[in-house]
Amino acid sequence: DIVMTQSPDSLAVSLGERATINCKSSQSVLYSSDNKNYLAWYQQKPGQTPKLLIYWASTRESGVPDRFSGSGSGTDFTLTISSLQAEDVAVYYCHQYYSIPRTFGQGTKVEIK
Amino acid sequence: EVQLVESGGGLVQPGGSLKLSCAASGFTFSDSAMHWVRQASGKGLEWVGRIKNKANNYATAYSASVKGRFTISRDDSKNTAYLQMNSLKTEDTAVYYCISSPEDYWGQGTLVTVSS
Repeated sequence: DIVMTQSPDSLAVSLGERATINCKSSQSVLYSSDNKNYLAWYQQKPGQTPKLLIYWASTRESGVPDRFSGSGSGTDFTLTISSLQAEDVAVYYCHQYYSIPRTFGQGTKVEIK
Repeated sequence: EVQLVESGGGLVQPGGSLKLSCAASGFTFSDSAMHWVRQASGKGLEWVGRIKNKANNYATAYSASVKGRFTISRDDSKNTAYLQMNSLKTEDTAVYYCISSPEDYWGQGTLVTVSS
């Protein structure tokens, strides 16, 4: 199984500041035949269903604000919120869909400082 | 409007069974794979399993924690996916979500509580 490890477990960022979440997979999720990273990021606000933010490691889902960006390749990935807004308070999960069983990171809780 | 509506959750004793349903509308259900993901209270997301579409022979796959106890099926004529859960354990207590793939539509979840 591919183990997804996120860091940090939680972070507090001031409004308007940058938030950075890291995700490391225990093996590469880059599929050589299509050169795509099978890595997604989800946002889960309190009491809500997870929402897809980013797929293919860096492609923003339709309707997601451009302050959210994803980067990385192979085994190391980053989700960046360029200017944190109050509505971004949530838990963020990385998720690999490269192989079965699909796996998620443990989550990173983002709060306002 | 796309909708995925889970039902069938509830309280069940350890060792018991429960069958969840996931009714889909607003997209071409028969073309999609369907996944189940669960989330225990205050915990993270755990992938449970998936069933592919007819073109992929309705292939199923499961996490190690549920393999042999849970079975995923689907009825494309009813636009519905199912999760049959047998030999339930207290650690199966969670909200269960169905998700379509590749569209990534999520249901609102249904709570399963395994307790005596």
